[in-house]
Amino acid sequence: RKEVEQDPGPFNVPEGATVAFNCTYSNSASQSFFWYRQDCRKEPKLLMSVYSSGNEDGRFTAQLNRASQYISLLIRDSKLSDSATYLCVVNIGGFKTIFGAGTRLFVKA
Amino acid sequence: DTGVSQDPRHKITKRGQNVTFRCDPISEHNRLYWYRQTLGQGPEFLTYFQNEAQLEKSRLLSDRFSAERPKGSFSTLEIQRTEQGDSAMYLCASSSTGEQWDTQYFGPGTRLTVL
Repeated sequence: RKEVEQDPGPFNVPEGATVAFNCTYSNSASQSFFWYRQDCRKEPKLLMSVYSSGNEDGRFTAQLNRASQYISLLIRDSKLSDSATYLCVVNIGGFKTIFGAGTRLFVKA
Repeated sequence: DTGVSQDPRHKITKRGQNVTFRCDPISEHNRLYWYRQTLGQGPEFLTYFQNEAQLEKSRLLSDRFSAERPKGSFSTLEIQRTEQGDSAMYLCASSSTGEQWDTQYFGPGTRLTVL
């Protein structure tokens, strides 16, 4: 079993749709959690950190369920510019950061 | 631009040649990471420096790979006797232990093609 697992997609959604991505992690000692966005042939960029109580940044909402070892990302009112790969990232202490393989999103006009 | 920079951005080499990549982290960041990413996968950890000390190396980092971070500033990653399987994007990231979440910021990567 991979340490961080994501549905690879792709998710194809129309503009304005709401889309949710899920991620599970295997190490119960994981300490911090992030979502990164990666455009084609570019570097990953931090989208948002995921707090225990859940957090929202504009159209993006992240949730963490430690008991189920599950992280989610919800994107509301999808824009064409949201098309990218979304990487679930888990830090299991110190420098040890594990990246999921990513979920691809295509938003269509 | 005060972000992470990497050089070169692209490198094409023949099998068996040696290549060296450079990473300049964000100036106040004391942690530096190297990752490798292949198509359809997330970045895979290669090695980690805190200041000038290399504290961890992945099993992915064979003896053909070596990394340095002299003086705790820029870092180099060298691959000796390159193989076709080394073709990938090599990403560098930096972070600061002073930040709450120790968030990693990535450079643009060096795309290596081994012919």
